[in-house]
Amino acid sequence: AQSVTQPDIHITVSEGASLELRCNYSYGATPYLFWYVQSPGQGLQLLLKYFSGDTLVQGIKGFEAEFKRSQSSFNLRKPSVHWSDAAEYFCAVGAGAAGNKLTFGGGTRVLVKP
Amino acid sequence: DTGVSQNPRHKITKRGQNVTFRCDPISEHNRLYWYRQTLGQGPEFLTYFQNEAQLEKSRLLSDRFSAERPKGSFSTLEIQRTEQGDSAMYLCASSLGTGRTGELFFGEGSRLTVL
Repeated sequence: AQSVTQPDIHITVSEGASLELRCNYSYGATPYLFWYVQSPGQGLQLLLKYFSGDTLVQGIKGFEAEFKRSQSSFNLRKPSVHWSDAAEYFCAVGAGAAGNKLTFGGGTRVLVKP
Repeated sequence: DTGVSQNPRHKITKRGQNVTFRCDPISEHNRLYWYRQTLGQGPEFLTYFQNEAQLEKSRLLSDRFSAERPKGSFSTLEIQRTEQGDSAMYLCASSLGTGRTGELFFGEGSRLTVL
């Protein structure tokens, strides 16, 4: 069965500093990988996704992620964090013979210091 | 607003009562998903529909839970004889397509508190 691990439960970063969130997945076939962001009281918003092709994918809000098959990782990065990036971030892998059922990691909460 | 809509946003109930949540997906989306999210955890898959057909159910979905999508449009998730462990955020998502690449669009969720 597929699984996703986000090793960092909380990360605190200063505004303007770079951010990297780790994600490791386990899936037997070619994974479809996603990063979602959830602000307090809000639904999940898709930041970016990887299906195939270029292993460095660009997303919204200045985020990017790199797929590394050899490390089973899909880490999320942002060069310069803004206070509005404070939120919870979820990595997910798409699986299932039909449909795009997602399996999510436990999430990483990002706090931004002024 | 043409996003995914969920009602009610908050529900407080006493243990043993039945509750029902409604999800209105984006109108042209043929797939609809229900997830459950407990505090400090990522969302967990419960079930999904393609049009009106319920194609997969998680083992998390006990026999007290039932979901329907009668006309392939809105969906309801009913929990019978609620227990305190049912307290969670129930998220609905919808997507378009028949493959694995359709983006899931999530609603803001329905938060259930069982006293």
